[in-house]
Amino acid sequence: KNEVEQSPQNLTAQEGEFITINCSYSVGISALHWLQQHPGGGIVSLFMLSSGKKKHGRLIATINIQEKHSSLHITASHPRDSAVYICAVSGRNTDKLIFGTGTRLQVFP
Amino acid sequence: DGGITQSPKYLFRKEGQNVTLSCEQNLNHDAMYWYRQDPGQGLRLIYYSQIVNDFQKGDIAEGYSVSREKKESFPLTVTSAQKNPTAFYLCASSTSRLARTNTGELFFGEGSRLTVL
Repeated sequence: KNEVEQSPQNLTAQEGEFITINCSYSVGISALHWLQQHPGGGIVSLFMLSSGKKKHGRLIATINIQEKHSSLHITASHPRDSAVYICAVSGRNTDKLIFGTGTRLQVFP
Repeated sequence: DGGITQSPKYLFRKEGQNVTLSCEQNLNHDAMYWYRQDPGQGLRLIYYSQIVNDFQKGDIAEGYSVSREKKESFPLTVTSAQKNPTAFYLCASSTSRLARTNTGELFFGEGSRLTVL
């Protein structure tokens, strides 16, 4: 079993829909990252969380440390949100990251 | 503007050749990383460095080598010993959480796609 599990693996949505991507992990962490990878391959960091909730524009990320679970929400989804969303966790006392396999999101007009 | 630059974006290699991928950052970050990405798989760590002149093997270091002679630079050499080098390679940097002050946010380069002919 992977230490970081994402669901779903693939997700399609109509423009305007509310989207949720989930991430569960089984190790102790110091922080959790949500990343976005576009078809060209470059990766952008969306959020880094160690507790609670963060919001940036239409994106919201939450984390529940006790349940070892995080969610990424996209409100009013748009075709330009189509990308692979990757969850990664930083272990305690280390700079190493453990990555999930990603969720491929396609938003259709 | 500050950022992290990888080059080349595309690289073709003949079997038996070593190739070096460049990664440069001007963000004053202590920690730098090299990852490999294969279709359908999560990013896998090849090597990482938390400070100049020091680096650690990641999960799939065999067939790769790195150096960290300058804070800004962390080149990756894919040697002929790497059995299946065709992949997408990503370099990243962050302020080390082991440092006194850090945000830990990750910055990635645009990636280098290596194809072995």
